[in-house]
Amino acid sequence: GAGVSQSPRYKVAKRGQDVALRCDPISGHVSLFWYQQALGQGPEFLTYFQNEAQLDKSGLPSDRFFAERPEGSVSTLKIQRTQQEDSAVYLCASSFGSSLEAFFGQGTRLTVV
Amino acid sequence: GIQVEQSPPDLILQEGANSTLRCNFSDSVNNLQWFHQNPWGQLINLFYIPSGTKQNGRLSATTVATERYSLLYISSSQTTDSGVYFCAVVRNAGKSTFGDGTTLTVKP
Repeated sequence: GAGVSQSPRYKVAKRGQDVALRCDPISGHVSLFWYQQALGQGPEFLTYFQNEAQLDKSGLPSDRFFAERPEGSVSTLKIQRTQQEDSAVYLCASSFGSSLEAFFGQGTRLTVV
Repeated sequence: GIQVEQSPPDLILQEGANSTLRCNFSDSVNNLQWFHQNPWGQLINLFYIPSGTKQNGRLSATTVATERYSLLYISSSQTTDSGVYFCAVVRNAGKSTFGDGTTLTVKP
């Protein structure tokens, strides 16, 4: 596609519910990144894929967070048993290479009530 | 990990004024990008500039990698320039580290 596409744009979840956030990267981009952005702050790194391999998951805040990219294209970020502190905007980015120019999607705004 | 500091945190300008935003980083980097986050939250790419100088219309950027800083210049500012400007660096392969941003308000 022309840009990075994320869905849904908005998600309201009840505390304890599981959610799945989707990212469609730019076609041909081998690197894919997930970030979490709290209100008033810069994005914080969560995890990074090179094709289907998850090379860095050091930013995932707990074992309730899980990401996958099984075919090296679309990625899903799953959050189990959501808590209020998970409320944030989740951003996905992709690039041709890990240190090359990254392009971001519009994000998914998650609100846990 | 690498530290990224942006200044000033907030900037208020009259339309037509010029401004300079600064990004300092604590270690050598492979990549540096400047983004503008619009009111809908979209991060818009402004510059990919690990070193040197680039210009795009009213905007230009300079990165002095040896001194670990980058500058973003906005000339003849317009109200549509309002928003948050982020600097992001990549030290090793993979994750970007973002600064806390500069919030720019351009008044008509």
